[in-house]
Amino acid sequence: SQQGEEDPQALSIQEGENATMNCSYKTSINNLQWYRQNSGRGLVHLILIRSNEREKHSGRLRVTLDTSKKSSSLLITASRAADTASYFCATDAAGNYGQNFVFGPGTRLSVLP
Amino acid sequence: DGGITQSPKYLFRKEGQNVTLSCEQNLNHDAMYWYRQDPGQGLRLIYYSQIVNDFQKGDIAEGYSVSREKKESFPLTVTSAQKNPTAFYLCASSDIKGAGYTFGSGTRLTVV
Repeated sequence: SQQGEEDPQALSIQEGENATMNCSYKTSINNLQWYRQNSGRGLVHLILIRSNEREKHSGRLRVTLDTSKKSSSLLITASRAADTASYFCATDAAGNYGQNFVFGPGTRLSVLP
Repeated sequence: DGGITQSPKYLFRKEGQNVTLSCEQNLNHDAMYWYRQDPGQGLRLIYYSQIVNDFQKGDIAEGYSVSREKKESFPLTVTSAQKNPTAFYLCASSDIKGAGYTFGSGTRLTVV
């Protein structure tokens, strides 16, 4: 399976600190995505990074992709209490365009005021 | 506003009943998906559809059924054959292949 696995499972930081979450996967991919889920809600798409990209930014979010290590990281800078949520990575297998993305179990981030 | 709507938000099922969860999108997306999420866990794919009148089983399709008669709609039926249906169900859609998903706000199903 190419399922992504996030690390750590849970992370607790103070407001203003940076939060880093990692995702590892097993097989070659076309794309990797990061999503956020607030408790009891649907997932919100954050960033999609393609296999030929190494880094993408969106506001306070920075995503890196290292295909040689089959890993990605999500960095949230200057965290806020509103960033408290679960964060998931999702991958699709190379060659399977149009097939579904597989989600990891997620990292639960708590940002303390 | 364009989006994806799931209803109802909460649903209670008695033993032996079939129940249907609604998912409607007005984003003109070709692909639609159903996921199940159990507490503290990730998402598991139940069914997906890339075009009207066609759908494919995901990893945990047993005890579930779907239809895709219209591009906008992808209802999920949880049948009595699904022995442990209590979970949070999420519907999603996407347009071009490999693009990000748009998720609905979910339906929480509880067996009573």
